Amino acid sequence: KQEVTQIPAALSVPEGENLVLNCSFTDSAIYNLQWFRQDPGKGLTSLLLIQSSQREQTSGRLNASLDKSSGRSTLYIAASQPGDSATYLCAVRAGGGADGLTFGKGTHLIIQP
Amino acid sequence: NAGVTQTPKFQVLKTGQSMTLQCAQDMNHNSMYWYRQDPGMGLRLIYYSASEGTTDKGEVPNGYNVSRLNKREFSLRLESAAPSQTSVYFCASSEFPGLAGGRETQYFGPGTRLLVL
Repeated sequence: KQEVTQIPAALSVPEGENLVLNCSFTDSAIYNLQWFRQDPGKGLTSLLLIQSSQREQTSGRLNASLDKSSGRSTLYIAASQPGDSATYLCAVRAGGGADGLTFGKGTHLIIQP
Repeated sequence: NAGVTQTPKFQVLKTGQSMTLQCAQDMNHNSMYWYRQDPGMGLRLIYYSASEGTTDKGEVPNGYNVSRLNKREFSLRLESAAPSQTSVYFCASSEFPGLAGGRETQYFGPGTRLLVL
């Protein structure tokens, strides 16, 4: 059974810092990996999706990397801003069928002004 | 484009009552999903529908039933609600590219907050 772990569970940093969120998964046979953002009381917004054949994806100040063989992904946030405060979720899709995602428990991020 | 919509936004039930959570998407996606989110547990898949006319169990299907009414709509039914079903329920949809490969992103609705007393 696939398990996804996110470290740290919570993180608080001053505005302007660069930071890294970590995600690990136990079964390397994945189809893709997705990073989501969730604001309090809201749904999930997809930030980046990395196909299993890719090593990284970038969107603005966000960069996600994938090392499938070691079962790890990182989300790098550059020049953090208070608006980045949210919970960040990592999720993997198993290879093959159209079944759902397996999620980590998330990293709760607070950017201090 | 409304994306994925869910109704109701919030509901309080008594133990033993039944209710149906509604979900609709306007992106013409084949695949739809129901997840529940609980504190300390993350999101867990309840049921999914790979295409119209098919449904399959996910990780935590007990106590729930689903109906893929048409391509747009996927409902989740609690026949006899229990306090353990107090949670936030999210519906999602995606277009899975299958063997052809390509990108596939899941789009989520705003959630339904359910409290079972």
